[in-house]
Amino acid sequence: NAGVMQNPRHLVRRRGQEARLRCSPMKGHSHVYWYRQLPEEGLKFMVYLQKENIIDESGMPKERFSAEFPKEGPSILRIQQVVRGDSAAYFCASSPLSSTTYEQYFGPGTRLTVT
Amino acid sequence: QQQVKQSPQSLIVQKGGISIINCAYENTAFDYFPWYQQFPGKGPALLIAIRPDVSEKKEGRFTISFNKSAKQFSLHIMDSQPGDSATYFCAAQGAQKLVFGQGTRLTINP
Repeated sequence: NAGVMQNPRHLVRRRGQEARLRCSPMKGHSHVYWYRQLPEEGLKFMVYLQKENIIDESGMPKERFSAEFPKEGPSILRIQQVVRGDSAAYFCASSPLSSTTYEQYFGPGTRLTVT
Repeated sequence: QQQVKQSPQSLIVQKGGISIINCAYENTAFDYFPWYQQFPGKGPALLIAIRPDVSEKKEGRFTISFNKSAKQFSLHIMDSQPGDSATYFCAAQGAQKLVFGQGTRLTINP
């Protein structure tokens, strides 16, 4: 059973460009979460999605950031007009549908560098 | 308050010793407390987790102790090995999202 998959693993963008980060959850998982990790810091929640629905986006910056989890295909975290402060590791996690199961399993992350 | 405070920031333990990492939270709505292990360049891996109706959970060399009244929980790693050297994060979950501590960089000296 493949784990959570993220691509690309490393992404370099110039200031002002767009970054698209992809996440495929574990098989059988329908909940996806995005977290951001700055160097030497813990992970910070950004957004929680189910298929075709954004459930909680309280951790998302108000501008330039958006996320989706379409009916078909991976979840996408999109950052428009990137700035140097967006440089971080972005992790996706997934969990099963069952409300009695809380475990979130993380992917290997995408390390975004803005030059 | 949504914070989870973790200590120490870094910890050095001799091989075979006990590693202890502590966390404290404020929000009593949290209902699930996992610990994650992260190696450099990798994603966090779920290590062990506990719910607040249990005071202790043990899996192999890893034990979580949970004190609901003090709103504190800790990770104990028995017989620590060099392969345990990593960064450890505690977390608390409420409303499906995880709130992470700042992390503890653990080094096990051979």
